[in-house]
Amino acid sequence: TQLLEQSPQFLSIQEGENLTVYCNSSSVFSSLQWYRQEPGEGPVLLVTVVTGGEVKKLKRLTFQFGDARKDSSLHITAAQPGDTGLYLCAGASYSGAGSYQLTFGKGTKLSVIP
Amino acid sequence: DTGVSQDPRHKITKRGQNVTFRCDPISEHNRLYWYRQTLGQGPEFLTYFQNEAQLEKSRLLSDRFSAERPKGSFSTLEIQRTEQGDSAMYLCASSLQVPGNTIYFGEGSWLTVV
Repeated sequence: TQLLEQSPQFLSIQEGENLTVYCNSSSVFSSLQWYRQEPGEGPVLLVTVVTGGEVKKLKRLTFQFGDARKDSSLHITAAQPGDTGLYLCAGASYSGAGSYQLTFGKGTKLSVIP
Repeated sequence: DTGVSQDPRHKITKRGQNVTFRCDPISEHNRLYWYRQTLGQGPEFLTYFQNEAQLEKSRLLSDRFSAERPKGSFSTLEIQRTEQGDSAMYLCASSLQVPGNTIYFGEGSWLTVV
């Protein structure tokens, strides 16, 4: 069974601070996706990283995929209250007869205090 | 709106009743997934279709659960004889069948069994 561990589980910071969320596994993934989820809503895709060592930037968010494609990080610069939410990482892999599925971490619940 | 749509968004049912959820994927996507998410957890894989074929089912999918995708377009997830432990958000997602494909989620269907 593939497991993805996210840390920290909870994070409460002041507006303007920087933060990093980590996603680690002992398994190799073909790609890794980061989602943000609001209460009562489905996850909304932020980014997909595919290549080991890949870095992608989305405004104040920087995503990195580990060289071995087993881990990833999300760094937010100058956090704003609008960044508040549940951040989920999900590793994509093929299993069985070519089926493709995501394995999710438990998420990091971020609160940015004005 | 051309995203993944789910219906109903919320359902409250009495224990022992049957419920059915519908998912309409993004129109050109041939892969469709069902996930379940409980409070404080990331989404957990339930089952997966490629066109009309159900290729994989999780052990989480007990015999009270059945999913169909009869024409390779929309899908239904039925839960028979609901139990309180079935209370969760049921998420549908879809993707294309290409390497590194991104999986897009719907807004989810909340089920509360009382």
